[in-house]
This record gives sequence, structure tokens and C-alpha cells, in this order.
Amino acid sequence: QSALTQPRSVSGSPGQSVTISCTGTSSNVGGYNYVSWYQHHPGKAPKVVIYDVTKRPSGVPDRFSGSKFGNTASLTISGLQAEDESDYYCCSYAGSYTLVFGGGTKLTVL
Amino acid sequence: QVQLQQWGTGLLKPSETLSLTCAVYGESFSGDYWNWIRQTPGKGLEWIGEITQSGSANYDPSLKSRVTISMDTSKNQFSLKMTAVTAADTAVYYCSRRPGRYYFDYWGQGSLVTVSS
Repeated sequence: QSALTQPRSVSGSPGQSVTISCTGTSSNVGGYNYVSWYQHHPGKAPKVVIYDVTKRPSGVPDRFSGSKFGNTASLTISGLQAEDESDYYCCSYAGSYTLVFGGGTKLTVL
Repeated sequence: QVQLQQWGTGLLKPSETLSLTCAVYGESFSGDYWNWIRQTPGKGLEWIGEITQSGSANYDPSLKSRVTISMDTSKNQFSLKMTAVTAADTAVYYCSRRPGRYYFDYWGQGSLVTVSS
């Protein structure tokens, strides 16, 4: 199965908002409300910041929010902070008890 | 608090078999799904597969022919074996828990596996 499509990089200044898109198909993103997003700092384990498209685990700031329209899910980070600079990956259920990740997006805080 | 600790062979030659093990501390296997995920330099994160407490396993279709995930409930461990590795399998491999929903909440520390002749 093909990886979900994410922009290679996005950037924003402190205090601004950025949105990262994750495009799939009706067989994954569009077919299920099971999209999750991960923050991945180099050398560390990934950390879930959004699951089930819009839900935020305890401890994750409410600056992180998720949404979905059709086959595209989005992660929005508002009030950008320096520590948000990281790689971000989306992941979706893809049917038949399989999951698929996106290619990852590097967020740079200017 | 759930903790995952993983270990295995770090350097392999092409055609050899990759073997990694993940120990789960802080809970038993019941009700959750135990996964292997890798990060390759060019492709980012890639889901490899998972196993349930009942021993039923599911795999990414592109890797299915080479991968086996198994578990030892007596030791609270699960393992990954990947046969016929090539340089394209060079990656950091992570074990992870999927808590009955479709996301991963706990991760191992990661294991770098390098395939080189």
C-alpha cells in the first residue's frame, strides 16, 4: 500500500499557526475516522499528538488540533513555539487490520 | 506505566535474517496490539505489522512474505523476524503498543539495524 502524502516541509514564525496536510484515498484516510499524528524528534521515540482525527491525548497542548475533509486529514499547530520544531507523521487505518504512515513533514520554526 | 525495551542484532549482511525482541513492562498483553514500526532514511515511518494477545498477526502487504511477528506471553515479550534483508531494510526499528484503538501510545527506544556487505 502506498504511503500517505505529506508536504516535505512547512515553516512558521513563533506565535503563528501552521497546517500540515495528509492525503490518502477512500481506502484509508477517507474511509475511516482513524487518523493519528506523531511528533518525532530525531533520536527519540515518536509521540502521539492527535488520534481518531481530532482527539488529543492528555498532556498534549490544545494548540494541537486535527481535522479531516474527504481523503485529506490536517494537523494544525497554533501559537507556534520553538519546541514544536520537529518531524510530524500522519498515520491511518487502511482496512484489513493494516495501517499506513505518511512520508513525514519537517516543521521549522523560524 | 507501560515501558517497552527492545534489543536485537544491529549489523547484518544481505540475505541474512533480522531478529528483534521487545519486552513489555507494566502490563500484560491482554486487550492491546503489539506492533513493529521502522524509520528508514528515505521513507520515514513504515508500519511493519502487529500481533494480538491471541497470537493473530497482521502485516504490511509489501513485507508480509518476509516478516513474522511472534510472542511469548510467559515472558511478556514479542519478536520480529525479517528474512532475506537487503540494504533497503536498513532502518531504526521500533516496537510499540496500539491500545485497542488505531494509534500508538507507547514506544520502545528504537534499534538501529544496518544491512551492509
